[in-house]
Amino acid sequence: GQNIDQPTEMTATEGAIVQINCTYQTSGFNGLFWYQQHAGEAPTFLSYNVLDGLEEKGRFSSFLSRSKGYSYLLLKELQMKDSASYLCAVPRGGSYIPTFGRGTSLIVHP
Amino acid sequence: GAGVSQSPSNKVTEKGKDVELRCDPISGHTALYWYRQSLGQGLEFLIYFQGNSAPDKSGLPSDRFSAERTGGSVSTLTIQRTQQEDSAVYLCASSSGGTASETQYFGPGTRLLVL
Repeated sequence: GQNIDQPTEMTATEGAIVQINCTYQTSGFNGLFWYQQHAGEAPTFLSYNVLDGLEEKGRFSSFLSRSKGYSYLLLKELQMKDSASYLCAVPRGGSYIPTFGRGTSLIVHP
Repeated sequence: GAGVSQSPSNKVTEKGKDVELRCDPISGHTALYWYRQSLGQGLEFLIYFQGNSAPDKSGLPSDRFSAERTGGSVSTLTIQRTQQEDSAVYLCASSSGGTASETQYFGPGTRLLVL
């Protein structure tokens, strides 16, 4: 089976740094995705990790440890517009169909 | 460029009625997914189409749900005899197809309310 866990909600201050964790269990690892979803909108792609380590993309970075079944999304210099739900997704082993976590609702306040 | 489009944006129906939801994927994308998202929940996989292969229907919650994809492009998700628990946002996504690493591009969704 497949299991993905992420915190339900996090709050942070504008300009700060926040780390959103995701742990997963899967048979046959095919990479891990992070998506951003603003309220009432569709998810949009943020990152994809298949190898261990940190991938940096502007203010957002994503980290993966396959041996630990663990990933995090790091958001720097937080802006109010970063308030959204962040979804961790892992394709099922031997499949292209991703299983999504429930998402972490990030609230950025002034 | 044109992204994934879905129609209708919103649908209100009465319990017991049938509904059809439409998805137009990005041109050239061979993979198409349907998901359901209830309030405060993650995305629940429903069905997956890849090219001319038989669809993966393993996520359909009951036999009241069905989907088809005509000509490898437009897809229709049909819910028969709707129930109140079917109320959710139905999201469609497409990808170019072929590998697990491909980004999915989501449509804006159809918000279904069953009274």
